[in-house]
Amino acid sequence: AQSVTQLDSHVSVSEGTPVLLRCNYSSSYSPSLFWYVQHPNKGLQLLLKYTSAATLVKGINGFEAEFKKSETSFHLTKPSAHMSDAAEYFCVVSGTGGSQGNLIFGKGTKLSVKP
Amino acid sequence: DAGITQSPRYKITETGRQVTLMCHQTWSHSYMFWYRQDLGHGLRLIYYSAAADITDKGEVPDGYVVSRSKTENFPLTLESATRSQTSVYFCASKDRVGVEASGYTFGSGTRLTVV
Repeated sequence: AQSVTQLDSHVSVSEGTPVLLRCNYSSSYSPSLFWYVQHPNKGLQLLLKYTSAATLVKGINGFEAEFKKSETSFHLTKPSAHMSDAAEYFCVVSGTGGSQGNLIFGKGTKLSVKP
Repeated sequence: DAGITQSPRYKITETGRQVTLMCHQTWSHSYMFWYRQDLGHGLRLIYYSAAADITDKGEVPDGYVVSRSKTENFPLTLESATRSQTSVYFCASKDRVGVEASGYTFGSGTRLTVV
């Protein structure tokens, strides 16, 4: 069975400093992994996805994530935080087998950006 | 993005009443999903559908009923609403499973309050 663990429920950074949101996954298969962002009272927006091509995935708004199979990690990073990055971020793995096509969400990491 | 539409955006209902949340997509995507979002749980899958007339349970299906008579519609019905079903509900669609497939697209959500 697949699962994801987001290691921090809340991360706070200052504007202009790097962002690191951590995610570990568990999967019996080669997984498809995603990061989604949700701004307050909004829907979910896809930031980036990993689908067994390049291990370093670039997404929108300057975010990127690196798939590390040996560490079963898919951490999200951004070199310089912007106030508009304040939101909740979800690490997601795509289900396989009988639940193929389903998304399995982590519990989310709330990112706060201080001026 | 008007490709996937949820209605209503907000709903207040009383305990014991039946309520239906609507989801409509314009892409003819095969797969459709219903998730609920609760604090501390991320998003959890309620039901999903691989095609018209094919539905299956997700992680938290109890108290919910779905149907998919047409590809573009995937209504979610709470047969007898309970306070524990107060949540934000997201509908999503995807054209097919596999790494070549397009990403999942989410609706804007329905905020349901059961009083």
